[in-house]
Amino acid sequence: EAGVAQSPRYKIIEKRQSVAFWCNPISGHATLYWYQQILGQGPKLLIQFQNNGVVDDSQLPKDRFSAERLKGVDSTLKIQPAKLEDSAVYLCASRSNTDGYTFGSGTRLTVV
Amino acid sequence: GEDVEQSLFLSVREGDSSVINCTYTDSSSTYLYWYKQEPGAGLQLLTYIFSNMDMKQDQRLTVLLNKKDKHLSLRIADTQTGDSAIYFCAEGMDSSYKLIFGSGTRLLVRP
Repeated sequence: EAGVAQSPRYKIIEKRQSVAFWCNPISGHATLYWYQQILGQGPKLLIQFQNNGVVDDSQLPKDRFSAERLKGVDSTLKIQPAKLEDSAVYLCASRSNTDGYTFGSGTRLTVV
Repeated sequence: GEDVEQSLFLSVREGDSSVINCTYTDSSSTYLYWYKQEPGAGLQLLTYIFSNMDMKQDQRLTVLLNKKDKHLSLRIADTQTGDSAIYFCAEGMDSSYKLIFGSGTRLLVRP
């Protein structure tokens, strides 16, 4: 069974530039999450989707971060403009009642 | 509030047992999880326990849950060098299943 796919694997950008991350969840998983993991910390939830609707985006810095999940499958997370403190690993996860949680390998973002 | 705390570092000798501890604050947690993260890799689910259980054993792993004290522990028997990694405790919130993670415990296994 294919896992959660994320791309790119690594990204280096300058501050104030924009960046986008892509996630393809496991087929049939209705729930999709984006987590941010800053170095030395545990992952923190940014946004949760149920199909193509947002369930929880209370921790998403909406002045610079946006996310969408068109057609309830793939999702993109965008940062515009990026700040130095956005340097982190961005993890996508999907979940179903039968399979539980599966995390992708993440996208490591470095803002310089 | 939601908060999960773990000690930062644990060093053990190969073949010994490791015990990693975690405390959480939200009594509405439904599940409690242990994840393993190796350098540059994603999160690997090791085991989980329902909040109405006291103990769960899975091969070399034993999870103990003290719900009264909101304390969770992971015991790894016969620790191997391949067990060296960061271990995260996480609580699963009831309705949304979002995970609240601790900051992780770095386990170093010395030969």
